[in-house]
Amino acid sequence: RKEVEQDPGPFNVPEGATVAFNCTYSNSASQSFFWYRQDCRKEPKLLMSVYSSGNEDGRFTAQLNRASQYISLLIRDSKLSDSATYLCVVGLDNYGQNFVFGPGTRLSVLP
Amino acid sequence: DAMVIQNPRYQVTQFGKPVTLSCSQTLNHNVMYWYQQKSSQAPKLLFHYYDKDFNNEADTPDNFQSRRPNTSFCFLDIRSPGLGDAAMYLCATGGDTGELFFGEGSRLTVL
Repeated sequence: RKEVEQDPGPFNVPEGATVAFNCTYSNSASQSFFWYRQDCRKEPKLLMSVYSSGNEDGRFTAQLNRASQYISLLIRDSKLSDSATYLCVVGLDNYGQNFVFGPGTRLSVLP
Repeated sequence: DAMVIQNPRYQVTQFGKPVTLSCSQTLNHNVMYWYQQKSSQAPKLLFHYYDKDFNNEADTPDNFQSRRPNTSFCFLDIRSPGLGDAAMYLCATGGDTGELFFGEGSRLTVL
């Protein structure tokens, strides 16, 4: 079993749709959780950290379920500019050397 | 202004011809990372520096070496590139917040 697994994708959705991505992790000692966004042929950039209580940033909502070792990302009212690959990142702490990246889920928002 | 700068953005080399990729950062972070990312795959950590302390991932081939002459600069040397080393090489830095700051990457083609 891979350490971090994500929905295989790709997801093709129309503008305005709500889309949800799932991520599971195998190491129960994990303490830090993030969603990164990577545009085609560009570098990953932090989208949001994921907190135990869940957190929201505009149209984006992230949830963490420690018992099920599961993270989700919800995007409401999808825009064309949301088209990207979304990488789930799980860490033992906040230091990058202890991070594990998921393979990513590609999203295409269609006009 | 870019905080992590990688050069060159694109590198074409011949099979077996050594390559050096460079990275500089203006964030004054102690830690610098080199990742390898192949198409549709997650970034894979090759090694990282904490100050001058070099940390190699267990599965990083000996063909990959690194140098960090000072806090701002880090180099990735590929001694004898093979076809399987064609990838995007990402340099990153980060503090203790969990956010990784990536450069735009160096895309390596091996002929």
